[in-house]
Amino acid sequence: DAKTTQPNSMESNEEEPVHLPCNHSTISGTDYIHWYRQLPSQGPEYVIHGLTSNVNNRMASLAIAEDRKSSTLILHRATLRDAAVYYCILRGLFGNEKLTFGTGTRLTIIP
Amino acid sequence: ETGVTQSPTHLIKTRGQQVTLRCSSQSGHNTVSWYQQALGQGPQFIFQYYREEENGRGNFPPRFSGLQFPNYSSELNVNALELDDSALYLCASSYLQGRYNEQFFGPGTRLTVL
Repeated sequence: DAKTTQPNSMESNEEEPVHLPCNHSTISGTDYIHWYRQLPSQGPEYVIHGLTSNVNNRMASLAIAEDRKSSTLILHRATLRDAAVYYCILRGLFGNEKLTFGTGTRLTIIP
Repeated sequence: ETGVTQSPTHLIKTRGQQVTLRCSSQSGHNTVSWYQQALGQGPQFIFQYYREEENGRGNFPPRFSGLQFPNYSSELNVNALELDDSALYLCASSYLQGRYNEQFFGPGTRLTVL
């Protein structure tokens, strides 16, 4: 499986934007970039995914580098509820594959 | 729409015992995956079931086994429990449609092996 590298932890002030980086230098041409997050005492939840173009949804935006070797999850206005562990995951074209989680980035929001 | 539910919430067993964990998939989903999450780690894939057949397995020994039922609920069975089996066990359901399927996770079952 292609690997991803994320910082262990990040802090951000409430109501400010947060940029969570992910490196995936061995990504293949058919790998989608997925982000899940895990709130305290809950199972992971889907955030967003993309292949080549930047993506937006109600939760976040995903910015993908032109060479696809890195991506950034953007939370436009962090709230206390966004405090969670964020996982960047690569999945193949056919989405029945398992999710391979790393240790993720623990995001702390400062009130 | 009912989400993914798991039971029990917490469980304490002793080494050598057997345990069964249960999961009810989200309505309309035909695939269920199980993950083990040790403290401070990301979830690790155990196996996946699609239409009652095992459809992929991670690096877990045969004493980890599963079932998926016609109503798409599922069980995870672990025999001969070891101390290292203490973890949060997560169930995730999805609708396999040949291309991409977002996985919906339950809240997990916290298993403690003494």
